[in-house]
Amino acid sequence: EDQVTQSPEALRLQEGESSSLNCSYTVSGLRGLFWYRQDPGKGPEFLFTLYSAGEEKEKERLKATLTKKESFLHITAPKPEDSATYLCAVQAWNSGNTPLVFGKGTRLSVIA
Amino acid sequence: ETGVTQTPRHLVMGMTNKKSLKCEQHLGHNAMYWYKQSAKKPLELMFVYNFKEQTENNSVPSRFSPECPNSSHLFLHLHTLQPEDSALYLCASSPDNNNEQFFGPGTRLTVL
Repeated sequence: EDQVTQSPEALRLQEGESSSLNCSYTVSGLRGLFWYRQDPGKGPEFLFTLYSAGEEKEKERLKATLTKKESFLHITAPKPEDSATYLCAVQAWNSGNTPLVFGKGTRLSVIA
Repeated sequence: ETGVTQTPRHLVMGMTNKKSLKCEQHLGHNAMYWYKQSAKKPLELMFVYNFKEQTENNSVPSRFSPECPNSSHLFLHLHTLQPEDSALYLCASSPDNNNEQFFGPGTRLTVL
């Protein structure tokens, strides 16, 4: 069974204090790993897709990396507006439907 | 915005009521999804439609009934719900059923 575990569950950072969020996964052949940001009361906002180990993608202060067992979302010099819940999901290779399997998320708070 | 809209944004209903949630996507996508998001739990996939055909029903109780009249619109018909059905219901779409998904803002449902 495909599984996604995100850690930590919650993270509190001072503005400018860089850190990383972890997404560990087990999947029967990775088709893609997805990162989303979700603000309270809103739907998840797509950030990145990673397809193969060694791949990296960046967007502003965020950088996502991928290995064969986990992905990291690195946040460099975060600002209060980066506060949100960050969700990780995986999609397996399958001949039919390949739904996304989500983790529970990491709730990030950045304090000014 | 993501190009996926949902109405209503908030809904309070009694256990004997019948109501419907509506989702519309303006992205030209072929796949649409319903998810349930409860506190402290990962997103739970409920239904998948690909080219208007239902391709996934993730053991959802029959009190939830989806309808997809065309590739731009998706409904979730609700009847005789239980208080534990209270949650954020999210609609998403993707170009096909094997790409990143784009989410709407959700409907916050409260069942009394």
